Amino acid sequence: QKEVEQNSGPLSVPEGAIASLNCTYSDRGSQSFFWYRQYSGKSPELIMFIYSNGDKEDGRFTAQLNKASQYVSLLIRDSQPSDSATYLCAVNIRAGANNLFFGTGTRLTVIP
Amino acid sequence: DVKVTQSSRYLVKRTGEKVFLECVQDMDHENMFWYRQDPGLGLRLIYFSYDVKMKEKGDIPEGYSVSREKKERFSLILESASTNQTSMYLCASTPGQGNGYTFGSGTRLTVV
Repeated sequence: QKEVEQNSGPLSVPEGAIASLNCTYSDRGSQSFFWYRQYSGKSPELIMFIYSNGDKEDGRFTAQLNKASQYVSLLIRDSQPSDSATYLCAVNIRAGANNLFFGTGTRLTVIP
Repeated sequence: DVKVTQSSRYLVKRTGEKVFLECVQDMDHENMFWYRQDPGLGLRLIYFSYDVKMKEKGDIPEGYSVSREKKERFSLILESASTNQTSMYLCASTPGQGNGYTFGSGTRLTVV
């Protein structure tokens, strides 16, 4: 089992809809969870982070964490064509370690 | 904002050449990382460093080495470039556990 798993997609949603991106992780002791957005040909950029169970909202983005189920998700409300990108989930797996484990990413396309 | 600068955006090198990829960050971060990113394989950790002159192997260190003589600079060295090292190389830094990474803009290396 991979440390961090994502559905590779592609995921297509119409403009204005909610896009839901999901991620599971293997280590129950994981503490920090991050979502990155990566446009084609560009490097990843951090858009959300979450440490505690529950929801965290930032504008149109909501990160959801369920440590009991080892599950983290990203919701994008009112999806825009500019949200079309690959979304990477990253988890700080090992306590005391600084390196993140990345999923392979979910490609999202928002259809105008 | 922290800035991570990679010296080259695109590089073309010949098989067998020694290749240097440079990365500089300007926010006094302790931790620096080198990843390569390939379609379908996601981000794979090559080497990382927690301090000056310190280095740790990641998941795919074979064929690579690193140097960290100053805190702000982390160099990746391909000792003898091969075609299977054609990839996007990403440098990242972070102040420590619980913080996300900031990535450089990436170097797309082609080995011919």
